[in-house]
Amino acid sequence: KNQVEQSPQSLIILEGKNCTLQCNYTVSPFSNLRWYKQDTGRGPVSLTIMTFSENTKSNGRYTATLDADTKQSSLHITASQLSDSASYICVVSGSNYGGSQGNLIFGKGTKLSVKP
Amino acid sequence: EAGVAQSPRYKIIEKRQSVAFWCNPISGHATLYWYQQILGQGPKLLIQFQNNGVVDDSQLPKDRFSAERLKGVDSTLKIQPAKLEDSAVYLCASSSLTGYEQYFGPGTRLTVT
Repeated sequence: KNQVEQSPQSLIILEGKNCTLQCNYTVSPFSNLRWYKQDTGRGPVSLTIMTFSENTKSNGRYTATLDADTKQSSLHITASQLSDSASYICVVSGSNYGGSQGNLIFGKGTKLSVKP
Repeated sequence: EAGVAQSPRYKIIEKRQSVAFWCNPISGHATLYWYQQILGQGPKLLIQFQNNGVVDDSQLPKDRFSAERLKGVDSTLKIQPAKLEDSAVYLCASSSLTGYEQYFGPGTRLTVT
């Protein structure tokens, strides 16, 4: 069964600290993996998209890694800010069908709280 | 460029009533998606349109949910009659035919009492 599991479920860190969020998936075949940030009351916003040939991608203070062999990804946030408080959702796309998007499998997200 | 627009942002209805949500995708985006996001969960795809045709509606509860995209631009999602378990955020997203990126709207938070 295609699944995306994220850990931890929630995380509290102090402003300025680093943190790493984990994503394990069993989606096959694999097309790409995405990390989204979802602020409370808002729609998800894309942070990174990685295909199987990419093992790291950065977007400012956010760095995502992908190990397609072990089917694991991580999102590292450096020097956290209060505005990083949000849910972070890992999404894996299976083989393409019906266009370029493929079948997206969403994780449940990690809720990050950054405290002053 | 303008983002994905949705309305209303919030809706409270009683069970067995009907409700409709509206989505205006990013201009030029051929693909439109409706997702249901229950509190504490990731979004679940309800239906995917490419232009005005349905690509995937396998997870749409067709006995009560319907969606249309008549002119290949705006879309409406309807629930009739609503149940308590329909309480969720309904997200609309759009993408171009050739891009990986999906752009999400702000969502409509539905509360069924």
